[in-house]
Amino acid sequence: AQTVTQSQPEMSVQEAETVTLSCTYDTSESDYYLFWYKQPPSRQMILVIRQEAYKQQNATENRFSVNFQKAAKSFSLKISDSQLGDAAMYFCAYRRTSGTYKYIFGTGTRLKVLA
Amino acid sequence: GAVVSQHPSWVICKSGTSVKIECRSLDFQATTMFWYRQFPKQSLMLMATSNEGSKATYEQGVEKDKFLINHASLTLSTLTVTSAHPEDSSFYICSATPLDLAGFSYEQYFGPGTRLTVT
Repeated sequence: AQTVTQSQPEMSVQEAETVTLSCTYDTSESDYYLFWYKQPPSRQMILVIRQEAYKQQNATENRFSVNFQKAAKSFSLKISDSQLGDAAMYFCAYRRTSGTYKYIFGTGTRLKVLA
Repeated sequence: GAVVSQHPSWVICKSGTSVKIECRSLDFQATTMFWYRQFPKQSLMLMATSNEGSKATYEQGVEKDKFLINHASLTLSTLTVTSAHPEDSSFYICSATPLDLAGFSYEQYFGPGTRLTVT
């Protein structure tokens, strides 16, 4: 069975600085998708970034980028130039490419942004 | 695009009554929707996968007779909490996955959630 682990319950970063959130996963499959979602205090889940396992190139979305290490089964999220609006819970998620489309979520990392 | 709505956003009901939560995909069709439950400061726990035109698939430990799921159309799924008790109080979130022309799906899009309080 697949598992997703986020070992950092809480992280803090100064405004305008860079922070990296960690995520590791376990799977025996070779093709899958990985996601980072943001859940602000409103509790609306927002997709931050998506990575297809077959792609070697790391995904980027503006200030957000990932470091995808397939062999190590690691999928970290880097937030550059952190803003107060980045404060939220961040969840890493895994999904198979076939069969059910259900996610396996990590336990989440609470990010605090300090002014 | 890819907007999912939920109604109501919050509901208070008395113990023993039933409450229905609606999940709608507003600008896309979704053959599959998901229902999650989230406790404070915890991750999302998948309750069931809702498939249009067929029975929902429940995760282990979720009482299917208590949490009734109906996916009557490609844009609507409902979760009914039957004979609610205070321990059912939680935040319930739905999500939906749009399919592309090849019938493939990528990410899930989430509704804003429903806060249920059972008194």
